[in-house]
Amino acid sequence: QKEVEQNSGPLSVPEGAIASLNCTYSDRGSQSFFWYRQYSGKSPELIMFIYSNGDKEDGRFTAQLNKASQYVSLLIRDSQPSDSATYLCAVNIMMDSSYKLIFGSGTRLLVRP
Amino acid sequence: DTGVSQDPRHKITKRGQNVTFRCDPISEHNRLYWYRQTLGQGPEFLTYFQNEAQLEKSRLLSDRFSAERPKGSFSTLEIQRTEQGDSAMYLCASSMGLSPYNEQFFGPGTRLTVL
Repeated sequence: QKEVEQNSGPLSVPEGAIASLNCTYSDRGSQSFFWYRQYSGKSPELIMFIYSNGDKEDGRFTAQLNKASQYVSLLIRDSQPSDSATYLCAVNIMMDSSYKLIFGSGTRLLVRP
Repeated sequence: DTGVSQDPRHKITKRGQNVTFRCDPISEHNRLYWYRQTLGQGPEFLTYFQNEAQLEKSRLLSDRFSAERPKGSFSTLEIQRTEQGDSAMYLCASSMGLSPYNEQFFGPGTRLTVL
C-alpha cells in the first residue's frame, strides 16, 4: 500500500460544476495535509493546507479532513477551465525517524467549457 | 521576486557527464528540500537541510548524488556520472521554522534530460 493514494483520473467536470478530489493516507499519526496544483510542465503550487478535522474554506476551494477515516479531500466550486491541472495531495508522514512530505501521484482534473 | 528560484531551468547532458543545479530559497526560510519528479508521479523526497546542516538523505539517493548548502542560504545538487534514469524534473522547496508541518513552497524546477 502506498503512503498516499489518489485516483489518477482524469476527472472531467463541466464548467461551473463542483470538482471533488480525494486522497487517502496510511499513517494515522499524520498531522498536516496539503493540496498542491501542478500545471503541465510547471512546478507544484500550494493551494491549501489543513491540520484539523472538518472543513477549511478558502475562496472557491474547500479542504476536508477526516483523520479517523484517514481521508482528505479538496472541493473546487464553480470550476473554471483554468482549474484544469493535476492536483497533488501531500501528507507529512513519519518515515525513517523523521517527518517527510509524501506526495500522491496526483489526480488530473479537466474542466470542460 | 521573492520566491524560490532554480538554475538552470533546463539541462541536457550526455550519459556519464556531471551536472550541478542551484536553488535559492525564500530568504527567511531555514529549511530547504530537494525532490525529484518523473512523469505521472508526485515529487519524491531526496534530501533536506536545516540551515547549513543536511539532516537526511533518501535511501533512494545513490552515492552519485550530493547536495550542499554551505552558508545556509543557496543549495547545490550535483549528479555525477549521469545515467538515463536520472532524467527527471528536480524540484527545490523551502519552508520556514523547525516544525515539520510548515508549508513548503516550490521553485520552478530544473528539467534534466540525459541522452
